[in-house]
Amino acid sequence: EVQLVESGGALVQPGGSLRLSCVASGFTFSSYRMNWVRQAPGKGLEWVSHISSSSTTYYADSVKGRFTISRDNAKKSLYLQMNSLRAEDTAVYYCARDYNGPDYWGQGTLVTVSS
Amino acid sequence: EIVLTQSPATLSLSPGERATLSCRASQSVSSYLAWYQQKPGQAPRLLIYDASNRATGIPARFSGGGSGTDFTLTITSLEPEDFAVYYCLQRTNWYTFGQGTNLEIK
Repeated sequence: EVQLVESGGALVQPGGSLRLSCVASGFTFSSYRMNWVRQAPGKGLEWVSHISSSSTTYYADSVKGRFTISRDNAKKSLYLQMNSLRAEDTAVYYCARDYNGPDYWGQGTLVTVSS
Repeated sequence: EIVLTQSPATLSLSPGERATLSCRASQSVSSYLAWYQQKPGQAPRLLIYDASNRATGIPARFSGGGSGTDFTLTITSLEPEDFAVYYCLQRTNWYTFGQGTNLEIK
């Protein structure tokens, strides 16, 4: 069974940093591309970032230069380093496996940016 | 950026009825369109990929159609557990989601 478990969400002040993690199980993590997708409270879904199996990375314009996606295949883990956080980054962040688009999703972790 | 517009924003139907949800793209996405279901407090669940292919474990009452810029998700004979928010997603030019259709019980 495919499982993705995110962690690391917290309350952080504007301008601060946070690192999210996602641990995968039930599939060969190293063979799959991965994504981060977020959802602001009461709003729709927004794609944030993508990493290929060879660690090529891509970002939405809204986070480019502030967020960094990475992976550790030995640990079956995906990360999102978020710097210079803004109020508009407040959201539930989901990691999602990529197979012709996001297929399996974790349960999400809440990031709140507020003073 | 490819914009996806879903209609209607809210659809009120009764169990047993047929639901038809629409997703229109601002430019052609070929068949690279997916549909997701999201219930309150839960992660999205993939229903349909590449316009018309049901994901693993998705009941046959869910079907997708269309290509280019116009797509539909049809749910024949609604079950109580089908009432949720539905999103479309295009993967031609990275990923963008539609704004969602709230399928509510009438």
